[in-house]
Amino acid sequence: NAGVTQTPKFQVLKTGQSMTLQCAQDMNHNSMYWYRQDPGMGLRLIYYSASEGTTDKGEVPNGYNVSRLNKREFSLRLESAAPSQTSVYFCASKGDSSYEQYFGPGTRLTVT
Amino acid sequence: ELKVEQNPLFLSMQEGKNYTIYCNYSTTSDRLYWYRQDPGKSLESLFVLLSNGAVKQEGRLMASLDTKARLSTLHITAAVHDLSATYFCAVGNAGNNRKLIWGLGTSLAVNP
Repeated sequence: NAGVTQTPKFQVLKTGQSMTLQCAQDMNHNSMYWYRQDPGMGLRLIYYSASEGTTDKGEVPNGYNVSRLNKREFSLRLESAAPSQTSVYFCASKGDSSYEQYFGPGTRLTVT
Repeated sequence: ELKVEQNPLFLSMQEGKNYTIYCNYSTTSDRLYWYRQDPGKSLESLFVLLSNGAVKQEGRLMASLDTKARLSTLHITAAVHDLSATYFCAVGNAGNNRKLIWGLGTSLAVNP
């Protein structure tokens, strides 16, 4: 049981480049989330997905798109990266019968 | 709008001492979470508090919830170095239990 996995672990992009962050969970959870964590800002929700086929905006969705490919996978895409998107990105999942969100190891993204 | 405030944001304490971290939230909620994050690592769930007066304990950590005061506390008893980490509280948005609003975190350093 790997839990929540994220790839890549580290990434450096130049301004204007695009990339997709991948997240997968093997816990059969319906809900999945993307957060960003910045120093002094706590965790901020970017997008979430309550079930396969549905996605909703969180607090800071601008500059991002998401895809809930299937129940297991939830990807986050940066179409044109900006230095303000330098952050640590966490994916999380939650089952309907549980209360906690379970977090992946994070992706450390730097945009120069 | 639900807001979550933690204090203190930084805490340096000596081994063997006791201390309390506070988490206040601004509107009604029916669940409160405490998470731990070690430097450079992911977030790990510590406690989920679901009702007024709920108290949970794990080792040297004890969490409680007062929904009338909209306050949760995380009490540390006889601190040890291994407890050094950042502690986050998060509050479930009433009516939308899939989303959490996070505090900024309390960075705890336990010194010998």
